[in-house]
Amino acid sequence: AQSVTQLGSHVSVSEGALVLLRCNYSSSVPPYLFWYVQYPNQGLQLLLKYTSAATLVKGINGFEAEFKKSETSFHLTKPSAHMSDAAEYFCAVSDPTGNQFYFGTGTSLTVIP
Amino acid sequence: DVKVTQSSRYLVKRTGEKVFLECVQDMDHENMFWYRQDPGLGLRLIYFSYDVKMKEKGDIPEGYSVSREKKERFSLILESASTNQTSMYLCASIRSGRRETQYFGPGTRLLVL
Repeated sequence: AQSVTQLGSHVSVSEGALVLLRCNYSSSVPPYLFWYVQYPNQGLQLLLKYTSAATLVKGINGFEAEFKKSETSFHLTKPSAHMSDAAEYFCAVSDPTGNQFYFGTGTSLTVIP
Repeated sequence: DVKVTQSSRYLVKRTGEKVFLECVQDMDHENMFWYRQDPGLGLRLIYFSYDVKMKEKGDIPEGYSVSREKKERFSLILESASTNQTSMYLCASIRSGRRETQYFGPGTRLLVL
């Protein structure tokens, strides 16, 4: 069975500080992992995805995530937060067929000027 | 550019009304999904469809039904709206078996009075 856990429903960082959003997964097969961003009153947009190639995945808007099998983690980072990064972030894992996704409960990121 | 559209961004309905939410995708995707999103609960799967006229229950199908008469269109129906169905509803689609990202519509924010 597949599932993800996002630690911290709310994260606040100062503008220019490091962003770290945590995601741990559970999967019975090699996982395909995704991070999505949701701006207010919008749908989800793909930030990046891990599909068993490089363990360090670079996404849009300066975000990246590292797949660590030993820790079953896929944490999202950005070296320097920008005000425009304020949004809700979701981690997700797909099932072996790729047809169904399992989402975390989301982390709301606030960026303090 | 891929596109998933939803018929309404905001809806206000009264308890007991029948509500139709429509989703259309232009990517010729086989699989389509309806989620509801509530604070602290993330995305929960209501129904999904692997093909025309096929449907499968997700995690929270009670009080909902769906219709997929054409490949590009997936409708969510609230047979008799209740206040606890006030939520954000998100539609998504994906090509079958590719382990790619799901593509999301902008969402419909439904308020049931």
